[in-house]
Amino acid sequence: QIQLVQSGPELKKPGESVKISCKASGYTFTDYAMHWVKQAPGKGLKWMGWINTYTGKPTYADDFKGRFVFSLEASASTANLQISNLKNEDTATYFCARMATTDYFDYWGQGVMVTVSS
Amino acid sequence: DVVLTQTPVSLSVTLGDQASISCRSSQSLEYSDGYTYLEWYLQKPGQSPQLLIYGVSNRFSGVPDRFIGSGSGTDFTLKISRVEPEDLGVYYCFQATHDPLTFGSGTKLEIK
Repeated sequence: QIQLVQSGPELKKPGESVKISCKASGYTFTDYAMHWVKQAPGKGLKWMGWINTYTGKPTYADDFKGRFVFSLEASASTANLQISNLKNEDTATYFCARMATTDYFDYWGQGVMVTVSS
Repeated sequence: DVVLTQTPVSLSVTLGDQASISCRSSQSLEYSDGYTYLEWYLQKPGQSPQLLIYGVSNRFSGVPDRFIGSGSGTDFTLKISRVEPEDLGVYYCFQATHDPLTFGSGTKLEIK
């Protein structure tokens, strides 16, 4: 069955970096784009951008340009999100989500809670 | 950026009754190919969001026919008939017509 399994929770200090992963299984990884969505505690969903899993080209929403990097380990069917120079406002749950060809998110990871605190 | 305004912010419904959620867009969501990339997601407590409706009115696999999406252009509605306990959570509309993609602010459905 199709699954997106994300890495575990992270506790980081301001200024540090974090890399979270999203491992896909049950389908051909390069056939579907992978998107990233942020959810701050008690808040709504915010689209961060996506990565073309065939070409590796990332696209970032404006609020996520600079410190955020989407990458792939295609041989491992894994998409990664790296955040550098962490700030308190990066505290959130980060979801990966597969986008189907008709542009909807049909499968989601379980989410990774990243806590930034001194 | 396209702003999706959801109303109400919260909704308290008696089991078995109908619930209705509105999603209004700041721009038309009809793409140049004639398709409208408007979706509805439900995030149950402690869970990841799950797809309910895509393309305004198409139910995703396994979604009960109690969930009905409708609308066009800038005005969209999700109706849930005969609300059941498992329907509680936060409902989000989402548009994939315009870049950047955007979510509505969410509507919390509570059971009376």
